[in-house]
Amino acid sequence: AQKVTQAQTEISVVEKEDVTLDCVYETRDTTYYLFWYKQPPSGELVFLIRRNSFDEQNEISGRYSWNFQKSTSSFNFTITASQVVDSAVYFCALLDSNYQLIWGAGTKLIIKP
Amino acid sequence: EAGVTQSPTHLIKTRGQQATLRCSPISGHTSVYWYQQALGLGLQFLLWYDEGEERNRGNFPPRFSGRQFPNYSSELNVNALELEDSALYLCASSTGQTLAKNIQYFGAGTRLSVL
Repeated sequence: AQKVTQAQTEISVVEKEDVTLDCVYETRDTTYYLFWYKQPPSGELVFLIRRNSFDEQNEISGRYSWNFQKSTSSFNFTITASQVVDSAVYFCALLDSNYQLIWGAGTKLIIKP
Repeated sequence: EAGVTQSPTHLIKTRGQQATLRCSPISGHTSVYWYQQALGLGLQFLLWYDEGEERNRGNFPPRFSGRQFPNYSSELNVNALELEDSALYLCASSTGQTLAKNIQYFGAGTRLSVL
């Protein structure tokens, strides 16, 4: 079965701390695509990154970095030197062969000033 | 360039009524997706339209239906509304018909409240 698990329901840190959001997935496909989206209080889902199953290279974009490991079926997201504006719900998702996104439950990230 | 736009922002209906939600995709995108985000149930895939055709449907009853117009905009119709239909309905669009090119960009959603 296709499944995405985000075990952390809510994380609260103080500004400037580093924080890692965990994502574990299950899929029967050999080629697949993983995503991270951010949902601020306004409700709109903002696309952050997409990874292909055949590319395990980690990626860094400014304060954001992603660690993709096929051996552990994980696609974790780290925010370095967190800021209050990073407060949001973050979703990990898997694109299945029918073009539908399978979503994790989301992790609510609270950054305190 | 305009993103995905959805209307209305909020919609209040009573049980048994019908609701119509609208979505305009990003210019150049031919695919539109609908998702439901209900409290306690998370994000669930509803429908996918591409080039005017329904391509895939999630595990929802037939009273959830929609269509895609020649300009690629889309409507989601929910008939015989039930209290549990109260949710944020999100529309997304994408370009390309291959999985390798599929990135879904979302609108701000329509919050449907059924009283």
